[in-house]
Amino acid sequence: DQQVKQNSPSLSVQEGRISILNCDYTNSMFDYFLWYKKYPAEGPTFLISISSIKDKNEDGRFTVFLNKSAKHLSLHIVPSQPGDSAVYFCAASVGIQGAQKLVFGQGTRLTINP
Amino acid sequence: ETGVTQSPTHLIKTRGQQVTLRCSSQSGHNTVSWYQQALGQGPQFIFQYYREEENGRGNFPPRFSGLQFPNYSSELNVNALELDDSALYLCASSLRPSSYNEQFFGPGTRLTVL
Repeated sequence: DQQVKQNSPSLSVQEGRISILNCDYTNSMFDYFLWYKKYPAEGPTFLISISSIKDKNEDGRFTVFLNKSAKHLSLHIVPSQPGDSAVYFCAASVGIQGAQKLVFGQGTRLTINP
Repeated sequence: ETGVTQSPTHLIKTRGQQVTLRCSSQSGHNTVSWYQQALGQGPQFIFQYYREEENGRGNFPPRFSGLQFPNYSSELNVNALELDDSALYLCASSLRPSSYNEQFFGPGTRLTVL
């Protein structure tokens, strides 16, 4: 079962405009949500996170919104820059047997066009 | 400060063989998690090691096993390889098992099973 879903495999945005990446989840036990960015031949890099008790977190050009009733979160990047072109993964954190595991979505490939 | 490193970068094995993948955690990190990323999918949690003990496991069969050493580096062993084991294997280290946004990923090992 896919507990975290990113329904858009790809997104293309003009440089300077807003990029909005979406993510849906099904498990109410998730206590933290994170966004990771991945370039080819590199591991995922942490971008921004949000606790399940909050509805917004901002860090520079990046803002994450959490809508618990809809079980939906989104990442806004504004303004978008060419260096933002990468695969973005949404992940949710849940405790399992003393460990904290991350459950990832399938990823969205973001392309920023000049 | 050295980041997370993994070896080898690429590996080709045949069905039924065994493989060992290695991970060196970031300096000061005592927790290592392993993830499997199949093509076109997000990473899936295999297990986590803390203080040389398995500290939580995802939905993977027992032929996936691991070790953590006193210097916190870790190995992932996969026995009786199957074609579906072909994937990118990612290692992530963190300061403690309950870390949320502090999982730092290595570049991964690409395993191909023929």
